[in-house]
Amino acid sequence: AQRVTQPEKLLSVFKGAPVELKCNYSYSGSPELFWYVQYSRQRLQLLLRHISRESIKGFTADLNKGETSFHLKKPFAQEEDSAMYYCALNTGNQFYFGTGTSLTVIP
Amino acid sequence: NAGVTQTPKFRILKIGQSMTLQCTQDMNHNYMYWYRQDPGMGLKLIYYSVGAGITDKGEVPNGYNVSRSTTEDFPLRLELAAPSQTSVYFCASRGPYSNQPQHFGDGTRLSIL
Repeated sequence: AQRVTQPEKLLSVFKGAPVELKCNYSYSGSPELFWYVQYSRQRLQLLLRHISRESIKGFTADLNKGETSFHLKKPFAQEEDSAMYYCALNTGNQFYFGTGTSLTVIP
Repeated sequence: NAGVTQTPKFRILKIGQSMTLQCTQDMNHNYMYWYRQDPGMGLKLIYYSVGAGITDKGEVPNGYNVSRSTTEDFPLRLELAAPSQTSVYFCASRGPYSNQPQHFGDGTRLSIL
């Protein structure tokens, strides 16, 4: 079975503090992993994907196959980072989403 | 470039009624998806399509039907609405490669009373 786990439903950090949103996956094949973000009153949109190894809006995520994790990190959180974040696993034709983490950055 | 467009944005149905949620995309994407999002449950895949004329079940297909007669359109049909189908429904599309992201519509908020 393919599954994505985001253990934190809610996460609050102060502005300027580091933030880490956890994502663990279960998949026997080679995973394609993504982070999606949904800002208030906006549609779900791609934040970053593991294959690009990129930094978007200061966020990075490293795929750790040994720990089957794809945690999202940012060294200094900003108020505009407050949003809902979803980790997603693509197994070819299907995507599996985690339950999401609501991040609040406190001014 | 509109991307993925869903209609309607909101709808209230009575138990037993039927309706079709519309989804269209203008990016010439082969892959299209329908998800439902329940509070605290993330997105669950209902149906997906890898191209015109081809559809397949996702995790939670019961009570729904889809068709894909064109590349652009992927309507989702509820035949006999039930309260358990109260949810927010999202349509998405994707290009041909597995490392490409999905593009989402704004969602349809559906209530069954």
